[in-house]
Amino acid sequence: DVKVTQSSRYLVKRTGEKVFLECVQDMDHENMFWYRQDPGLGLRLIYFSYDVKMKEKGDIPEGYSVSREKKERFSLILESASTNQTSMYLCASSLLFYNEQFFGPGTRLTVL
Amino acid sequence: DQQVKQNSPSLSVQEGRISILNCDYTNSMFDYFLWYKKYPAEGPTFLISISSIKDKNEDGRFTVFLNKSAKHLSLHIVPSQPGDSAVYFCAASHGSSNTGKLIFGQGTTLQVKP
Repeated sequence: DVKVTQSSRYLVKRTGEKVFLECVQDMDHENMFWYRQDPGLGLRLIYFSYDVKMKEKGDIPEGYSVSREKKERFSLILESASTNQTSMYLCASSLLFYNEQFFGPGTRLTVL
Repeated sequence: DQQVKQNSPSLSVQEGRISILNCDYTNSMFDYFLWYKKYPAEGPTFLISISSIKDKNEDGRFTVFLNKSAKHLSLHIVPSQPGDSAVYFCAASHGSSNTGKLIFGQGTTLQVKP
């Protein structure tokens, strides 16, 4: 079974803090994705990566950056957390040329 | 611009009856569609998919129908069970992209009453 793990299930941070969300997948997938899920807005793509050290902006990249130094690991960075970044963050991975994405359990981030 | 839309935020059905979840899209380049199911505090899990060369795909109690001319797809669950209560997302992609990028709808919360 594909496994996608995320470093924290729940996280509480203060405004202005730098926040790191880690995602690891164990199936040698080329593609990795970061989404946020908000009520009524569905899943919105923040960033994705189709190879090590490669990254592409999704639909809502502002206020975020990413890092992919190893194939299995994709990190989302909030440079200076703000209250409007309070959300559920979901990481996913997929094989190159395949559409089905496998999701991690999510990180519920609260920024106070 | 919302390219994939689920216009019904919620749906309530009785156990044993049919659940029909709808999804509309605007981009005619989309050629592959997926449905995901999400329970609270868990990540979405893949449910069923359909390629644009088909108009129907079935997997047990779940059937997805695609109407390309109307740019509409629907997910039928028959019979509905209380364990089906979850948020359902439809998603779309176009094959010219090798990044596997999906565009998701807003989600529909299904409640199946015992």
